[in-house]
Amino acid sequence: LAKTTQPISMDSYEGQEVNITCSHNNIATNDYITWYQQFPSQGPRFIIQGYKTKVTNEVASLFIPADRKSSTLSLPRVSLSDTAVYYCPPDGNQFYFGTGTSLTVIP
Amino acid sequence: EAQVTQNPRYLITVTGKKLTVTCSQNMNHEYMSWYRQDPGLGLRQIYYSMNVEVTDKGDVPEGYKVSRKEKRNFPLILESPSPNQTSLYFCASSPTGTSGSEQFFGPGTRLTVL
Repeated sequence: LAKTTQPISMDSYEGQEVNITCSHNNIATNDYITWYQQFPSQGPRFIIQGYKTKVTNEVASLFIPADRKSSTLSLPRVSLSDTAVYYCPPDGNQFYFGTGTSLTVIP
Repeated sequence: EAQVTQNPRYLITVTGKKLTVTCSQNMNHEYMSWYRQDPGLGLRQIYYSMNVEVTDKGDVPEGYKVSRKEKRNFPLILESPSPNQTSLYFCASSPTGTSGSEQFFGPGTRLTVL
C-alpha cells in the first residue's frame, strides 16, 4: 500500500503564502495526486488534483515535479479560515489519509 | 443536493451492544468507504466497496462489518462494540475507486462505547 509523508504541523501568519509538501515515494504511474482539507468536526473535502506540472484553481495551486515523487500545495495569502488539516492521500481504491498537516493561521 | 448522509451523528452505547451506523449517497457513486479518525492516528480506512456486493478490508477492519446490497447504502456494523472503537467515523463515496476520482465525505458520526 502506497503511503505518503508530510509535515505534522505548520504555523503561518495571515496574508502569507503557505506551501505544504508531500512525498509520494511509491506513487504508481497512473495515480493522480489529490489534496483534501478538513475543518474540525467535518469530513475532508477535495481541494485540488493534478498529475504533472502545475494546476491552479480558485483555492490553491498544486506543483508536481517531473519525477512525481513529491507535490507541493500552495495556499496564497492565507486567512484565519484556512486553519485546517491538509491531506495528500495516495490515490486508488485504498485511500490512506494518515495524519495530514495541521495548518494554524495566526492573526 | 448531492450529499453523503450518516446516521446517527452522535451515539453513546455500552460494550457488547450491537449497533449499525448507516451511510447513504445520492450521487450514484460506485465506490464507498468507511474511515475512523482518532487523535494522533489520523484518518484510517476501515472497509471499502468498489460496487454492489463487492467489499474489501482497509487498514483497520477488525471488529467491523459492512454490507453493500444497494448502490446508495453502505452501513457499518459493530457486532460487539468495545471501548477502543470509540472514535469519529466518516463515510465517503466517489464515482469510482480509481485514481482521479474525488471522494465526498459525510458529516461524521461520533461514537462513544462505555
